Amino acid sequence: NAGVTQTPKFRVLKTGQSMTLLCAQDMNHEYMYWYRQDPGMGLRLIHYSVGEGTTAKGEVPDGYNVSRLKKQNFLLGLESAAPSQTSVYFCASSLSDYSDSPLHFGNGTRLTVT
Amino acid sequence: DAKTTQPNSMESNEEEPVHLPCNHSTISGTDYIHWYRQLPSQGPEYVIHGLTSNVNNRMASLAIAEDRKSSTLILHRATLRDAAVYYCILRDPQGAQKLVFGQGTRLTINP
Repeated sequence: NAGVTQTPKFRVLKTGQSMTLLCAQDMNHEYMYWYRQDPGMGLRLIHYSVGEGTTAKGEVPDGYNVSRLKKQNFLLGLESAAPSQTSVYFCASSLSDYSDSPLHFGNGTRLTVT
Repeated sequence: DAKTTQPNSMESNEEEPVHLPCNHSTISGTDYIHWYRQLPSQGPEYVIHGLTSNVNNRMASLAIAEDRKSSTLILHRATLRDAAVYYCILRDPQGAQKLVFGQGTRLTINP
């Protein structure tokens, strides 16, 4: 079982470049999330989606855009990368939004912006 | 948002039980207690969750205080592969967008 797959695993960008991070899940989950993890900051929610064609802002959405054109995929875009966006990015999914529905995470994308 | 408090770090020996505490004094009646762990260079991994009663699964046990203001994750026989950061999180009915992942407890296992 693949679960949640993130591509790429590593990426180095120059300031001002753009890129898209792909998250794919094969569990037929409705809910998908993008987090970033920085040293000493814990995980912070960037954007999330409650179903195909829907997206919503999380705690730290500025500088990022997302799209959920297909249920199984959730894309995170950086239009003009900045050094402050150097981080490890994690995608997650869950079957439902009920309080007892656990999140399933991918193994992350390590992004460095120089 | 309801918040949890965990020790920054703990240390234990291989093959011994480990009790990881979590305080959540502002928990509401509908909040579920979730535990995740994050191994080095990996994403967080779901461990266990519960509401009021103690819970067991193949990975761990969750003991919840009667007043629900604290809980304890129990690893019955720690192995070196259990070395990770453990997060105690409250999940409320308003949705996972309200999840707060704090600093967690960094567990070190000595051989």
